[in-house]
Amino acid sequence: SAVISQKPSRDICQRGTSLTIQCQVDSQVTMMFWYRQQPGQSLTLIATANQGSEATYESGFVIDKFPISRPNLTFSTLTVSNMSPEDSSIYLCSVPGDGGYTFGSGTRLTVV
Amino acid sequence: AQKVTQAQTEISVVEKEDVTLDCVYETRDTTYYLFWYKQPPSGELVFLIRRNSFDEQNEISGRYSWNFQKSTSSFNFTITASQVVDSAVYFCALSEGYNFNKFYFGSGTKLNVKP
Repeated sequence: SAVISQKPSRDICQRGTSLTIQCQVDSQVTMMFWYRQQPGQSLTLIATANQGSEATYESGFVIDKFPISRPNLTFSTLTVSNMSPEDSSIYLCSVPGDGGYTFGSGTRLTVV
Repeated sequence: AQKVTQAQTEISVVEKEDVTLDCVYETRDTTYYLFWYKQPPSGELVFLIRRNSFDEQNEISGRYSWNFQKSTSSFNFTITASQVVDSAVYFCALSEGYNFNKFYFGSGTKLNVKP
C-alpha cells in the first residue's frame, strides 16, 4: 500500500488566517481525497482531487473555503481559508490502496 | 438516512473479554465494499479489512473476525480476548460501485479495554 506523508501534524491558528496542509504519496495515484473529522465525529469527505482537473467538492464544502491543489500524481494540498473555531478538526488525506484506502496521519487543527 | 450505522457509541470491556462491534449498512447497489478501520488515540486511520458484496464468507485474522450477512445488511467485527492495545475508535465504512469514489463512514464506536 501507498505511504502518505502529511504535514503539519498539528497546528494552532488564529481566526481569520489560512492554513495549507500538504500530502505527499510515495507512489503515483490518480485520485486523492480530503476528509474532515470534527471532534468526536466521524469522517466527512470534503473533496476529491484529480490531477489536471479541478477538485470535486461534496455538498456543504466550497472551493473558496477549501481550495485544493493537485500539481502532480504524488502531491496535493488543502487550504483551510479564513478560519474560525468551527474549523477545528482533524483533516486527513487518503488514496486508494490494494486492500482499502490508505490515510495520512492527519492534521489536528485548532483555531483560537 | 445514514448509509452506515454504528449504534454503539462507546463500549467498555475488561481485558481478555470478547467484544463485538456492530455495523449496519444501507445501499441499493449490488456491488459495494465494506471496510473496517481502527483509529487509535494517535489519530491515524489503520485499515483492517475490506469485503466485497459478493463474498459473504466470514474472515478471521488472529484475534479479529468479521461476520458479513447480506440478509441483515450487517458487517460486524469481533475482537476475541481483547487487549488494552485494542482501545481505539473503530469505523465501519461503505463504498458503492467499483470506483471507490466515495466512502461513507459510520459514526464510530469507541472501545475502551481496561486492564
